[in-house]
Amino acid sequence: DAKTTQPPSMDCAEGRAANLPCNHSTISGNEYVYWYRQIHSQGPQYIIHGLKNNETNEMASLIITEDRKSSTLILPHATLRDTAVYYCIVRVAPQGNTPLVFGKGTRLSVIA
Amino acid sequence: SQTIHQWPATLVQPVGSPLSLECTVEGTSNPNLYWYRQAAGRGLQLLFYSVGIGQISSEVPQNLSASRPQDRQFILSSKKLLLSDSGFYLCAWGDTGSGANVLTFGAGSRLTVL
Repeated sequence: DAKTTQPPSMDCAEGRAANLPCNHSTISGNEYVYWYRQIHSQGPQYIIHGLKNNETNEMASLIITEDRKSSTLILPHATLRDTAVYYCIVRVAPQGNTPLVFGKGTRLSVIA
Repeated sequence: SQTIHQWPATLVQPVGSPLSLECTVEGTSNPNLYWYRQAAGRGLQLLFYSVGIGQISSEVPQNLSASRPQDRQFILSSKKLLLSDSGFYLCAWGDTGSGANVLTFGAGSRLTVL
């Protein structure tokens, strides 16, 4: 699986949009971008994933650049409960047995 | 709906004692199952994963082992714990039948080895 690069930490004011970047310049054509987050002392939680089109669900939006070498996770209205470590993971097609390999992620602090 | 259970939630064990952590999944069949560990202040480390009964892949050589005696049961064991085995152990399952194969994690088991 391709490697990803994320900033170690970010701050965001409560109520504002949180934009979390991820670089994956070596991504190959059959690799998807997944985002998970881990709130302190809990297991990771799936947020969203995509291949090349932008995706949106009830939690977040995922914007993937046209060349697919980077992406941005957007939390439109961050709340204090969104404080967590956010992981960007690139892996081969969703179906199959490839396990998720977590990097260091970005520690997002939402500030009141 | 699918649920994943891990137990015990917390345990304190002396060095050299055995370990058994159990994980069960309900509401699905033939899931992929995973064990991860997170040491204090560290990232998530994949330990084992299983694609079926009796099929275990080990990612990191160590004094831990895993077994899958039933389709929806995954057990993490050790014969003799080391201090370095302390950490937060997370079980996860992946739904191979859906298009996303999203991993769903349990609540975790926090192990302290003294």
